[in-house]
Amino acid sequence: GQNIDQPTEMTATEGAIVQINCTYQTSGFNGLFWYQQHAGEAPTFLSYNVLDGLEEKGRFSSFLSRSKGYSYLLLKELQMKDSASYLCAVRGLSGGSYIPTFGRGTSLIVHP
Amino acid sequence: SAVISQKPSRDICQRGTSLTIQCQVDSQVTMMFWYRQQPGQSLTLIATANQGSEATYESGFVIDKFPISRPNLTFSTLTVSNMSPEDSSIYLCSVGGGGSYEQYFGPGTRLTVT
Repeated sequence: GQNIDQPTEMTATEGAIVQINCTYQTSGFNGLFWYQQHAGEAPTFLSYNVLDGLEEKGRFSSFLSRSKGYSYLLLKELQMKDSASYLCAVRGLSGGSYIPTFGRGTSLIVHP
Repeated sequence: SAVISQKPSRDICQRGTSLTIQCQVDSQVTMMFWYRQQPGQSLTLIATANQGSEATYESGFVIDKFPISRPNLTFSTLTVSNMSPEDSSIYLCSVGGGGSYEQYFGPGTRLTVT
């Protein structure tokens, strides 16, 4: 089976930097994803890591360490619109197919 | 990228009835996923639907309760059968996997069972 753990809620100040951690256990690891989900909307893709290291995309960066079963999403220059839930998802082997499993999500609140 | 539409966007249904949710994709895809997201929770995978084969259900979900059709590479339906208030949730269709790492989600169907 797969197990994904991330903090339930975080708060940060506009303009600051925040790091959202995700730890996981899985069999047949085949990639880790981060999604952003605003209330009442579908998740939108942010990043994908399959090799160790840092992937940077604008204000958002994602890091992966496969040996530690650990990832983080780094958000820089926070804006009010970044207030959302951030979902960590891991794709692992299940029944012969690679299936993504989602964590419970981290609710980020950005305040002025 | 893929553009996904779902029908209906929301519905209020009575206990004991069934609702069929449609998912349409603007391109041919191999794998389609159906997720459920209960209030304040993350996404739970219900089943994976591949064209030309039976859907594969995750633990806790059965075909009698959530029958799925996948008649072609751009369309799928999920039926929520014999509904109870516990089935009140958002149901999301998703595509991706295979050679593409990116996964796209439909806008979701918000179901309320009274």
